[in-house]
Amino acid sequence: NAGVTQTPKFRVLKTGQSMTLLCAQDMNHEYMYWYRQDPGMGLRLIHYSVGEGTTAKGEVPDGYNVSRLKKQNFLLGLESAAPSQTSVYFCASRRTGDDGYTFGSGTRLTVV
Amino acid sequence: AQSVTQPDIHITVSEGASLELRCNYSYGATPYLFWYVQSPGQGLQLLLKYFSGDTLVQGIKGFEAEFKRSQSSFNLRKPSVHWSDAAEYFCAVVPMEYGNKLVFGAGTILRVKS
Repeated sequence: NAGVTQTPKFRVLKTGQSMTLLCAQDMNHEYMYWYRQDPGMGLRLIHYSVGEGTTAKGEVPDGYNVSRLKKQNFLLGLESAAPSQTSVYFCASRRTGDDGYTFGSGTRLTVV
Repeated sequence: AQSVTQPDIHITVSEGASLELRCNYSYGATPYLFWYVQSPGQGLQLLLKYFSGDTLVQGIKGFEAEFKRSQSSFNLRKPSVHWSDAAEYFCAVVPMEYGNKLVFGAGTILRVKS
């Protein structure tokens, strides 16, 4: 099925460890986004990309890095995980000129 | 500050009763407006959206929303709630000032009493 796929779905990290979350879309969308969801705070934008090779900061970028080397993939990296990064992470994509956002099913990350 | 406000963190309604979830935004120009629903442990599903035109928008699952420019509001309604509607609901906007980004409210958790 076409859509946005996030891997992994669950992960537990120790403080200071690093990891990369992968978002893949097969809809040829130009725009891709990473959000984090925390109770009572809705979804907050971490980073986004308007096309292959470009990235930009969102509302809460500190502690995260991203890369968009291929149009279909958007990677979110945590270089040194902290307990404050315990959250559910959602990836989304959309086509230029289209206001419909397609969301992945989320990655639940726990940092202990 | 520019933002999306959902003033009700939790709402409890009886099955069969009507529902209204509130959403207000504070942006200079009227943004694009959305309502999403998230069932426990699931991703986000789009209920409806408003860009322009008729201010009463029909969505999926029997939901509707009304845009009121004078109140900067986009409230979600359903005439008769079903137990399966229990979920978290998010209002979101794409501000004209930041056309690339979807900005979310904090969410409203709906509980349905049988």
